Amino acid sequence: GAGVSQSPRYKVTKRGQDVALRCDPISGHVSLYWYRQALGQGPEFLTYFNYEAQQDKSGLPNDRFSAERPEGSISTLTIQRTEQRDSAMYRCASSQTTGLTNTGELFFGEGSRLTVL
Amino acid sequence: AQSVTQLDSQVPVFEEAPVELRCNYSSSVSVYLFWYVQYPNQGLQLLLKYLSGSTLVKGINGFEAEFNKSQTSFHLRKPSVHISDTAEYFCAVTNTNAGKSTFGDGTTLTVKP
Repeated sequence: GAGVSQSPRYKVTKRGQDVALRCDPISGHVSLYWYRQALGQGPEFLTYFNYEAQQDKSGLPNDRFSAERPEGSISTLTIQRTEQRDSAMYRCASSQTTGLTNTGELFFGEGSRLTVL
Repeated sequence: AQSVTQLDSQVPVFEEAPVELRCNYSSSVSVYLFWYVQYPNQGLQLLLKYLSGSTLVKGINGFEAEFNKSQTSFHLRKPSVHISDTAEYFCAVTNTNAGKSTFGDGTTLTVKP
């Protein structure tokens, strides 16, 4: 697609429920990143993929959070047994990774706002 | 490890006045530096970037930034702001081997008539 697409844009759920957030990156972009942004703060790194391989998941807060990108395109961030502290904007970004020419520039989607009641 | 500090959380300024948004970073490796802008209800979009070469980089909408290696700073400037520049601005660093970017907490620029 023309830009990074995220769905749903808004999700309200009850504590204890599982949620899945979807990201469709820019066509041809190899790298895909997930960030979480709390109100009044900058995006905080969660995890990223090159193609289908998860390269770094050091930012995932605990084992309730997981992400996958099985075919190297669309990615899903899953939060199990949600808690109120999980409420935030979840942002996806994609980037061209071409080895030495990688510039690190990120193209962001509009985000998925999660509210856990 | 790397970190980014944006020294001002809020910057109010009158239309047509100059503005500087300050950013300092720390990193143990070489980095690329970026400024992103976020308008209300939109995703972040790239304003400008420093990869190498000239330390003064120009971006969209008349913004520019200067990389200062000795002071580990990358301040954003515009000589004359418009109402439409009202937004949140984020400074970010990425190590040159790619991977995750680290963002500052943002500076809210409010341009008043």
